[in-house]
Amino acid sequence: KQEVTQIPAALSVPEGENLVLNCSFTDSAIYNLQWFRQDPGKGLTSLLLIQSSQREQTSGRLNASLDKSSGRSTLYIAASQPGDSATYLCALNNAGNMLTFGGGTRLMVKP
Amino acid sequence: EAGVAQSPRYKIIEKRQSVAFWCNPISGHATLYWYQQILGQGPKLLIQFQNNGVVDDSQLPKDRFSAERLKGVDSTLKIQPAKLEDSAVYLCASSLRLNTDTQYFGPGTRLTVL
Repeated sequence: KQEVTQIPAALSVPEGENLVLNCSFTDSAIYNLQWFRQDPGKGLTSLLLIQSSQREQTSGRLNASLDKSSGRSTLYIAASQPGDSATYLCALNNAGNMLTFGGGTRLMVKP
Repeated sequence: EAGVAQSPRYKIIEKRQSVAFWCNPISGHATLYWYQQILGQGPKLLIQFQNNGVVDDSQLPKDRFSAERLKGVDSTLKIQPAKLEDSAVYLCASSLRLNTDTQYFGPGTRLTVL
């Protein structure tokens, strides 16, 4: 059974800092890994999707990496802004698009 | 393109009462998912539909939870009777096809069981 852990559970940084969010998983037989953003009272928005054969994906200030051998993924956010404040979730797709989520990292970027 | 719609947005009930949630997926999306998200945790998949058939419901507490997707479009999730531990946000998501990677999420229904 896939288990997904995200560290830290909460993070507070000043605006402009570069930061890294971590995701670890136990079963490396995955189809893909996704990073989502969740704002309070709202649903999830997909940020980046890394296929099993890929090592990283980039979108704007976001870069996600995948290392299946070590069971780890990181989400790098460059030049953080107050608008980046949200909960970030990683999710693993082992089969049939059924996602297993981590507990999330709650990010606060202070002006 | 309209997103995934869910109603109600909030619901407060007492334990042992019944409750139902409704989801309207993005038009044309064949696959629909219901997730339960307890405060402070990530979402947990309850059930997955492909058109009007169940693909997986292994994590659905079938003694009290039921779900249907008549006509392969809208879906309802029901809890009967509710327990205190059912307090959570219930998220609905849809994707174009069963193995299409991108799932689009609705805003969720926040359930409080007193």
